[in-house]
Formats: sequence, structure tokens, C-alpha cells
Amino acid sequence: GQNIDQPTEMTATEGAIVQINCTYQTSGFNGLFWYQQHAGEAPTFLSYNVLDGLEEKGRFSSFLSRSKGYSYLLLKELQMKDSASYLCAAMDSNYQLIWGAGTKLIIKP
Amino acid sequence: IAGITQAPTSQILAAGRRMTLRCTQDMRHNAMYWYRQDLGLGLRLIHYSNTAGTTGKGEVPDGYSVSRANTDDFPLTLASAVPSQTSVYFCASGQGANGELFFGEGSRLTVL
Repeated sequence: GQNIDQPTEMTATEGAIVQINCTYQTSGFNGLFWYQQHAGEAPTFLSYNVLDGLEEKGRFSSFLSRSKGYSYLLLKELQMKDSASYLCAAMDSNYQLIWGAGTKLIIKP
Repeated sequence: IAGITQAPTSQILAAGRRMTLRCTQDMRHNAMYWYRQDLGLGLRLIHYSNTAGTTGKGEVPDGYSVSRANTDDFPLTLASAVPSQTSVYFCASGQGANGELFFGEGSRLTVL
């Protein structure tokens, strides 16, 4: 079956770095997405990886290893506003997104 | 530019009643989706539409129906609501394969 695994919750300190991991198993693969969702709000797009390697976008970076079925989202210089859930989603061979349950990131001062 | 708009934002509904959640986008995206989000679970696809005039079933379609008469609108109907349909419903649109999705603000539905 198709499955996405990511930690339920993580805690980090303001100004620090945090890495949120995601492993996936899908029927075929057409890319890996990360979305941010603040409590009570809609998910918003952060990144898309389809090739192996690291994609950097400001304070956020996303990494993909297709051979390992693995991705991570790296957040640097954490700010209080980064407190949110981070959703990992893999696109299968039918171009449908399979979503993880999300990682709730708590930032402490 | 509004983006993608859902209505209502919140609704309490008696079991057995019919309910339509509305979704409108002004980005001229071909693809539109309805998801439900429940605590501890990932977003689950209910129905989707790759282009106006076509619809498809997602992971959890039972008890729901959709229509796509034009590019902008994609309503979701619960013919006879049941308590297990209590959830937050998100409508999304995108340009299709490999494109990012844009989500509406969600509709919180409680079925009693």
C-alpha cells in the first residue's frame, strides 16, 4: 500500500535549526511536496522536489533521496511564526497526492 | 484577487440532512480537489476534477458527490449527512500534474 511517515510532533528553540523527516512508499513517484499549515488555517505550499538533492529557498530547504524513499525539510533560524504543522505529500504514478498526517512543530523562546 | 473561496466556513448539521459545500476559484486552474482533514490523519481526497466537465473518485468518496459545470466552481454535496462526516473540508485547485495546490480556508462541518 501507499504510505507516508513523519513524526507527530517536534519541539525546537527559537533561532535554532530543525529537520523534519519524511519517508514514503508509493506506487510510482512524481515528486515530493512540503506544505505548511498554521492552526485553523489552510495548507500553503513550501517546496517541491522531483530530483535527488537539496533545494534551498531562504530559511527553508528540502532534500530528496528517491532510492531511499526519504525527504526532509530543514528550517534554519527558527522564528516563533514557524510554529505550525508541516505536511509531507508524495505524488504517485497517477499524479495523486498521498499525504502524511503532518508534523506539529512547537517553537520555544 | 480572491484565489479560492469556500462557503460556509462553519456549519452544524443534523444527521440525515443534505448539505452542499461551495468552492469557487478565480485562477483559471484546470484541476480542483476536495479533501477532508481529521485529527491524526493526513488529508484524504474525496473527489477531484482534472478539467471542467469531468470528475473522479478519490480515496474516500462514499456519501459525497461533486459536479464541475465550469472551470471556476466545484461544489461538494453530502446527500444524507452522517456523524462520521464531521470534519474540516478543504477545496484546492492547481494546474495539474507536478503543480502546487492552492487551498481554500476550509469548511468546518459538524454532523449531530
